[in-house]
Amino acid sequence: EVQLVESGGGLIQPGGSLGLSCAASGFTVSANYMSWVRQAPGKGLEWVSVIYSGGNTYYTDSVKGRFTISRDTSKNTLYLQMNSLRAEDTAVYYCARGRDETSFFDYWGQGILVTVSS
Amino acid sequence: EIVLTQSPATLSLSPGERATLSCRASQSVSRYLAWYQQKPGQAPRLLIYDASNRATGVPSRFSGSGSGTDFTLTISSLEPEDFAVYYCQQRSSWPLTFGGGTKVEIK
Repeated sequence: EVQLVESGGGLIQPGGSLGLSCAASGFTVSANYMSWVRQAPGKGLEWVSVIYSGGNTYYTDSVKGRFTISRDTSKNTLYLQMNSLRAEDTAVYYCARGRDETSFFDYWGQGILVTVSS
Repeated sequence: EIVLTQSPATLSLSPGERATLSCRASQSVSRYLAWYQQKPGQAPRLLIYDASNRATGVPSRFSGSGSGTDFTLTISSLEPEDFAVYYCQQRSSWPLTFGGGTKVEIK
């Protein structure tokens, strides 16, 4: 059974750093396109970043230079390192698997809340 | 960036009625469009990919159509569990973008 479980969220001050993890089971993270998608409270969905099976990465403009997506093959885990956090980064962050090496998301984690506030 | 505009923002219908949701892209996305359902407190669920293909386990009352810039999600007869928010998403170009959502509520 495919499962994605995020961890690492919480309350962080503006300008701070936080790392999110997404532990996968039932499939191999490194063989799939894996993304982070976020949702601000009461708002819609916003794609954040993707890492391809080949290792290429892409980011939405608002997080370029601040966020880094990566993976650990031995742990079958996806990561999102978030630096220089801003209030507008406050959201529930989901990790999601791309279906059949595309960026349509067929499996999602339960989401983890990141709150950036002083 | 491709902007996806969903309409209406809210659709008030009764169980058993037909729901028609629209998603319009600011430029052509070919057929690289998906639809998701999201219920409160839950992660989104993939319903339709490549404009008209149902994802695994999705009931046949859900159907998608369209290409280029205009897309439609149709729920042929609403079940109680279908009342939720629906989002479209394109993967034609970076950045990936989602529409603002349509809330299907019980009338």
